[in-house]
Amino acid sequence: DGGITQSPKYLFRKEGQNVTLSCEQNLNHDAMYWYRQDPGQGLRLIYYSQIVNDFQKGDIAEGYSVSREKKESFPLTVTSAQKNPTAFYLCASGWGEQFFGPGTRLTVL
Amino acid sequence: ILNVEQSPQSLHVQEGDSTNFTCSFPSSNFYALHWYRWETAKSPEALFVMTLNGDEKKKGRISATLNTKEGYSYLYIKGSQPEDSATYLCASHRGGAQKLVFGQGTRLTINP
Repeated sequence: DGGITQSPKYLFRKEGQNVTLSCEQNLNHDAMYWYRQDPGQGLRLIYYSQIVNDFQKGDIAEGYSVSREKKESFPLTVTSAQKNPTAFYLCASGWGEQFFGPGTRLTVL
Repeated sequence: ILNVEQSPQSLHVQEGDSTNFTCSFPSSNFYALHWYRWETAKSPEALFVMTLNGDEKKKGRISATLNTKEGYSYLYIKGSQPEDSATYLCASHRGGAQKLVFGQGTRLTINP
């Protein structure tokens, strides 16, 4: 069953802590993306990767980091430098048309 | 930054009625326009990918049109059903095929 998985579904973090969100795909896509959604706003691009071992900043990369060591995996770390990390995070993959995971809702306590 | 705008932000429609909403995008350097349906607690699901001016695509009761010269696309739903309740997102490409810019979505609620 091809698709994109994200874990966990809900995540709670204390202020000052880093946290890593998982994204895995078995669609054999080279390109992968991380988006953030806030109420009343569209999806905003955080980071994207076009190929293994390469990634680029999107529109709101500050306070986030990523890695792309394997084609299937594109984890996102929300660092303590991210000023307002509480949001819904979506991972996607694909070139042109993008396929989305179910998302992770991160809440900072 | 490329701006993609959707209107209205939310819409309540009676079951059985037809409805439509709009996506506007900069017409210069157009590559493709995407429509997604995003149901609560699910992943966004692709509805249409449109590339040609004047294009019209249909999927069951849902159809979409594209005007690349003036920079807008309409999504139509005929005979709305409760299962059509979702947020509908449009997105246009920026700088090639790999990056999409999304509108803020139209949240559609079908009242039984």
